[in-house]
Amino acid sequence: KQEVTQIPAALSVPEGENLVLNCSFTDSAIYNLQWFRQDPGKGLTSLLLIQSSQREQTSGRLNASLDKSSGRSTLYIAASQPGDSATYLCAASSNNAGNMLTFGGGTRLMVKP
Amino acid sequence: GAVVSQHPSWVICKSGTSVKIECRSLDFQATTMFWYRQFPKQSLMLMATSNEGSKATYEQGVEKDKFLINHASLTLSTLTVTSAHPEDSSFYICSVDVRDSKRKAFFGQGTRLTVV
Repeated sequence: KQEVTQIPAALSVPEGENLVLNCSFTDSAIYNLQWFRQDPGKGLTSLLLIQSSQREQTSGRLNASLDKSSGRSTLYIAASQPGDSATYLCAASSNNAGNMLTFGGGTRLMVKP
Repeated sequence: GAVVSQHPSWVICKSGTSVKIECRSLDFQATTMFWYRQFPKQSLMLMATSNEGSKATYEQGVEKDKFLINHASLTLSTLTVTSAHPEDSSFYICSVDVRDSKRKAFFGQGTRLTVV
């Protein structure tokens, strides 16, 4: 059974810092790995999706990497801003048919002005 | 992609009553949808897989008689929490299974259920 872990659980940084959020998964037979943002009391915003054959994806100040062999993914946030404050979730998609996701516990990020 | 609409966004109900949550796929015919729930300060956990025209598949520990799922059309899945209790208070969110090559997940806005 897939297990997804995120470290750290919480992070507080001053504005402008570059950040690395970590995600690890136990079963490397994934179809893809997705990163989401969740604001308090809200739904999920998709940030990046990395296919199992890919190594990284970039969108603006965000860069996500994937190392299937070691069961790890990282989300890099450059030049963090207060508006980046949210919970970041990674989720692994099963290699079987269908797209059910196994989520990590999330990293709660606070960027202070 | 897919646009997913979930309704209501929040609901408060009395203990013992039932609540229905709708998940609509507005621009995609979804044969499969997924229902997740999220307890406070916890991550999302898959509850069940909703299959159009057939019975839902429930994850271990999720009571199928308490959480009724109906997927009667390709654009609508409903989750009914029957005889709700305060411990059912949670954030419920659905996603649509888009079976293209990327298999990106598209989520509804979620429903905050509070049982008093």
